[in-house]
Amino acid sequence: QSALTQPASVSGSPGQSITISCTGTSGDVGSYNYVSWYQQHPGRVPRLMIYDVTKRPSGVSYRFSGSKSGNTASLTISGLQADDEADYYCTSYASTGSLIFGGGTKVTVL
Amino acid sequence: QVQLIQSGAEVRKPGSSVKVSCKASGFTFSKYAFNWVRQAPGQGLEWMGGIIPTIDISNTAQRFQGRLSITADEATNTGYMELDSLRSEDTALYYCARGMVRGVVIIGMDIWGQGTTVTVSS
Repeated sequence: QSALTQPASVSGSPGQSITISCTGTSGDVGSYNYVSWYQQHPGRVPRLMIYDVTKRPSGVSYRFSGSKSGNTASLTISGLQADDEADYYCTSYASTGSLIFGGGTKVTVL
Repeated sequence: QVQLIQSGAEVRKPGSSVKVSCKASGFTFSKYAFNWVRQAPGQGLEWMGGIIPTIDISNTAQRFQGRLSITADEATNTGYMELDSLRSEDTALYYCARGMVRGVVIIGMDIWGQGTTVTVSS
């Protein structure tokens, strides 16, 4: 099963909103509402930011939101802050019973 | 405190195997799954496989089938990952992660261990 497709990098200025896409197929993103998003700062452990496409775990800022349309899921970060600079990964459950990661997106705050 | 504590760094020769442990504390072990994710130096995250201990259902990513074993011991709240036939490309940071479950499906990971470095070198 191929990795989900994410842009290599996305950037924005403080206070702006950015959106990271995560494109899969009808066998994963398109068929299941089991998309999650993870934030990873350099040298740190990944942190769950969004699960079940749109849900935020306790402690995650409201500035992070998720959505999905067809085979593409998206993570939007609003009111961009310096600490949001990190790598972001999406995952989806797939019909094979596996979890598939995206290749990751580096977010840069200008 | 909810946490996953992994075993220490390992160095192995090509062709050998490695077993990494992950001890859970602070939550009801039987309500969750165990996943293993790895990250090669400078690379992204890769899901390797997962197990739902209470119903003993496991699933392994296709590229690891035949050389990856994922188990869990409910008596000690500990999960294990054993990878055989190691090659240099297996050099990576290996994470265990608590899996969120919907029925018999693992849908994501909410708590992560600190990671275990495995180095494969002759």
